[in-house]
Amino acid sequence: NAGVTQTPKFQVLKTGQSMTLQCAQDMNHEYMSWYRQDPGMGLRLIHYSVGAGITDQGEVPNGYNVSRSTTEDFPLRLLSAAPSQTSVYFCASSYVGQGYTEAFFGQGTRLTVV
Amino acid sequence: AQSVTQLGSHVSVSEGALVLLRCNYSSSVPPYLFWYVQYPNQGLQLLLKYTTGATLVKGINGFEAEFKKSETSFHLTKPSAHMSDAAEYFCAVQYGNKLVFGAGTILRVKS
Repeated sequence: NAGVTQTPKFQVLKTGQSMTLQCAQDMNHEYMSWYRQDPGMGLRLIHYSVGAGITDQGEVPNGYNVSRSTTEDFPLRLLSAAPSQTSVYFCASSYVGQGYTEAFFGQGTRLTVV
Repeated sequence: AQSVTQLGSHVSVSEGALVLLRCNYSSSVPPYLFWYVQYPNQGLQLLLKYTTGATLVKGINGFEAEFKKSETSFHLTKPSAHMSDAAEYFCAVQYGNKLVFGAGTILRVKS
């Protein structure tokens, strides 16, 4: 039972490089989201999706793109990496209950931009 | 603006002592509330949630939290701390279809 799988676990990028963080879930959840975690700031929502073909911006979307072609996958693309994007990135897949959503998180991707 | 405030970025308790982690939120309507725990180098794991019904919610590992609407609070407690409870704890509130997280509280348990 894999749950939410993120790859890679660690990545070092040079300023200006682009890359894609992968996220896959096997729970058939419609709702998926990306967060970044920075010390003292908790988790901040980057982008989210309520189903295949539907995405929207969160609190800190600048510099990131997403797409959702399948229910299972929700990749996050960094267009031109900047040192300010050094962070730990978490993907979450959410179960939607009686009005509430319960999020299941991946193990995270630790990204360093030099 | 919607916000979640966790009082104390670091809390230190002795093994066997009471754990109290504080969370306050801004909301004008009854919210859905969550506590998550993060162990080092891992993702977040749900401890407990309040959706409707009883305001005292029990979770995993002996933790519980009480929703107090009048105080807009959802504090997390555990009667007796164990060394294995050392981790970072996040309070989260659902606003619409989004989760908003507090800044987190790192719990240290002293032997």
